[in-house]
Amino acid sequence: AQSVAQPEDQVNVAEGNPLTVKCTYSVSGNPYLFWYVQYPNRGLQFLLKYITGDNLVKGSYGFEAEFNKSQTSFHLKKPSALVSDSALYFCAVRERGDYKLSFGAGTTVTVRA
Amino acid sequence: ETGVTQTPRHLVMGMTNKKSLKCEQHLGHNAMYWYKQSAKKPLELMFVYNFKEQTENNSVPSRFSPECPNSSHLFLHLHTLQPEDSALYLCASSQVGAGADTGELFFGEGSRLTVL
Repeated sequence: AQSVAQPEDQVNVAEGNPLTVKCTYSVSGNPYLFWYVQYPNRGLQFLLKYITGDNLVKGSYGFEAEFNKSQTSFHLKKPSALVSDSALYFCAVRERGDYKLSFGAGTTVTVRA
Repeated sequence: ETGVTQTPRHLVMGMTNKKSLKCEQHLGHNAMYWYKQSAKKPLELMFVYNFKEQTENNSVPSRFSPECPNSSHLFLHLHTLQPEDSALYLCASSQVGAGADTGELFFGEGSRLTVL
């Protein structure tokens, strides 16, 4: 069975400060890991993914995430947050060989001006 | 054309009505999904169709009936729903199979359903 935990329901940061959204996962084998963002009344938009290779992956809108196998984590980061980054962020995992994604409960990010 | 299109975007129905949600993907993918998103709850996978065959039904009540006539279209037929079924219903698609199996889902904008 695969699962994802996002330990923080909410993250609040000031504009210009670094932003980190935490994610840990559990899978039986090797994971594929994803981050999605959802703006109010919209669908989920893909941000980035880790499949294999370099542990640091870069994605859309200046976001990046680091895969840490020993800690089973895939935290999302942005060096300098913008007010427009305020949204709901979902981490997701899929085990290789399976096509179904398991999502975390989501983390609401609020960036204040 | 956006990648995954869902209609209607908003739907209000009574408990005795019959309605359908429609999803169309223009990405050439071979798998389609229905997810339910309720307030304060994780995304719930409802149904998966892989090459038009239903491969997943996550204990969804029979008042939800999916239909996948071809790899580009997916429907969710609704009848005798309950108020607790009010939620955002998200459709997604992906390409699965050898050489393209990265599992990245592309989502539609969702259909906001309110059951009175």
